[in-house]
Amino acid sequence: VQLVESGGGLIQPGGSLRLSCAASDFIVSTNFMRWVRQAPGEGLEWVSVIYSDGTTFYADSVQGRFTISRDNSKNTLYLQMNSLRADDTAMYYCVRDRDKTGSGFDIWGQGTMVTVSS
Amino acid sequence: AIQLTQSPSSLSASVGDRVTITCRASQGVSSALAWYQQKPGKAPKLLISDTSSLESGVPSRFSGSGSGTDFTLTISGLQPEDFATYYCQQFNTYPLFGGGTKVEIK
Repeated sequence: VQLVESGGGLIQPGGSLRLSCAASDFIVSTNFMRWVRQAPGEGLEWVSVIYSDGTTFYADSVQGRFTISRDNSKNTLYLQMNSLRADDTAMYYCVRDRDKTGSGFDIWGQGTMVTVSS
Repeated sequence: AIQLTQSPSSLSASVGDRVTITCRASQGVSSALAWYQQKPGKAPKLLISDTSSLESGVPSRFSGSGSGTDFTLTISGLQPEDFATYYCQQFNTYPLFGGGTKVEIK
């Protein structure tokens, strides 16, 4: 069971980037899946969630700029990031909820680094 | 909005020590509090869910307790591989993490 992120990189302020997270040995669409980020040297911040029924939620800091989605045929989670700002610079992790009762994130990807800078 | 405050923010300890990390919520939360361990350059690892439930494969020297606003993570007999940063997390409304506690070698 694993998650593998990709798509990070260096992007100018105002630009867009799409992160991908490929899952192995479990089905993304039947789980609650999230993105969590960590700025360099800082703590963890929840970014977004997509529930198994497709409902999505976002942290206030990214609302209106980021979109979480999934491709069931590819068993992959995505995060479309638009209007990027310097304070979006962080390692982005995709994670799986341990269960549907909000008891923790049991599977984490290795992370993909996003750097927003001119 | 609920805030989670971990204390201490860092500590120095020796192998074999008993270490206690506290996570205090600014208002009462449900039992859905989790603890994670993060080593440098690695993703966090879930240690404890639902305040006190040890994840599979996590050594029994780790334990969690608490309710309401005050929660603790205890490591009974610190091992070399336990030097890391620990985060608490609650799910009362949206996922919120504490600021972290870095456990360093004395």
